[in-house]
Amino acid sequence: GQNIDQPTEMTATEGAIVQINCTYQTSGFNGLFWYQQHAGEAPTFLSYNVLDGLEEKGRFSSFLSRSKGYSYLLLKELQMKDSASYLCAVRDSNYQLIWGAGTKLIIKP
Amino acid sequence: DTAVSQTPKYLVTQMGNDKSIKCEQNLGHDTMYWYKQDSKKFLKIMFSYNNKELIINETVPNRFSPKSPDKAHLNLHINSLELGDSAVYFCASSQRASGDDQETQYFGPGTRLLVL
Repeated sequence: GQNIDQPTEMTATEGAIVQINCTYQTSGFNGLFWYQQHAGEAPTFLSYNVLDGLEEKGRFSSFLSRSKGYSYLLLKELQMKDSASYLCAVRDSNYQLIWGAGTKLIIKP
Repeated sequence: DTAVSQTPKYLVTQMGNDKSIKCEQNLGHDTMYWYKQDSKKFLKIMFSYNNKELIINETVPNRFSPKSPDKAHLNLHINSLELGDSAVYFCASSQRASGDDQETQYFGPGTRLLVL
């Protein structure tokens, strides 16, 4: 079967750095996405990785290792508004997105 | 400008009723989707649809049916609602045909369905 694993919840301090990990086992691989979802709102696109390595976008970076079936989302200089769920999703060989359950990130002052 | 919109935002109804949720996108995308997000926050694909192809998640009961009057709209009809249908339903869209390999999906605000 297809599986995306992420930690259920993480806590971090305002101004700090946090890394959210995602491991996947899917039938084929055609890209990995990270989305942010604030409570009661829709998921919004954060980053996309299809090749190994690090993609940086401001305070957010995403890393991919296809051989290890592993990605992480790195958030720097955390702000209170970063409190949200972070969803990892992998596009499989059928070009369908397989979603993780999300990691709820709690930021404390 | 709203990119992907859904109506209604909230829907409370009785078991056994039939209801529809509407979705519209003004992004010019050629593919639209319906997702169900349950209380455990899993996003589960229900349908993906473009002009050529409807892909149905085989776990979706046939009480659920997508209807697309045109490329910019994909409505969701639900017959004989059950308690377990209570969830948040998200519509999304993406562009598959333009050579955009990333094919990012953009989500609507969601419809919170509560079946009593």
